Amino acid sequence: AQSVTQPDIHITVSEGASLELRCNYSYGATPYLFWYVQSPGQGLQLLLKYFSGDTLVQGIKGFEAEFKRSQSSFNLRKPSVHWSDAAEYFCAVGAYTGTASKLTFGTGTRLQVTL
Amino acid sequence: IAGITQAPTSQILAAGRRMTLRCTQDMRHNAMYWYRQDLGLGLRLIHYSNTAGTTGKGEVPDGYSVSRANTDDFPLTLASAVPSQTSVYFCASSENRYTEAFFGQGTRLTVV
Repeated sequence: AQSVTQPDIHITVSEGASLELRCNYSYGATPYLFWYVQSPGQGLQLLLKYFSGDTLVQGIKGFEAEFKRSQSSFNLRKPSVHWSDAAEYFCAVGAYTGTASKLTFGTGTRLQVTL
Repeated sequence: IAGITQAPTSQILAAGRRMTLRCTQDMRHNAMYWYRQDLGLGLRLIHYSNTAGTTGKGEVPDGYSVSRANTDDFPLTLASAVPSQTSVYFCASSENRYTEAFFGQGTRLTVV
């Protein structure tokens, strides 16, 4: 069975500083990987996804992630964090059955941004 | 605006009562899902549906049932609610296995 580990429960960064959120996955085949963001009281919004091809993927809001098969990692990065990036971030891996993509989520990393 | 609508937004429910959480999507997506979100546990899949007329069990299906009579609707039923089902429930949909899931705004359920 697939699994996702987000080792950092809570991260604090200063506005303008760079950010890296870690994600490690376990999956028997080529993984389909996602990063979602959740603001307080809201649903989840997709930041970016990796299905195949270029291992460096660009997403919305200036985020990017790099798939490293050798390390089973899919870390999320942003060169300069804005105060509005404060939220909870979830990494997920997709397993497929029929037309459905059953997502397994990590436990999330809460990002706090100081001014 | 296209998307997923969940109802109710929040609910307080007495233990032992029956409750149906509603989910409707207008994107004509094939697949739909129900997740629950609990602090420290992330989101866990309860049930899913590949297409209308089919359903499958996810990671935590016990105590829940679903139906998929048509493409747009995917209700989640708690037959006899228990306090451990207190959670935030998210409905989601995806066009197919190669596309991302879109999430509703969630239903906050408290079972007392």
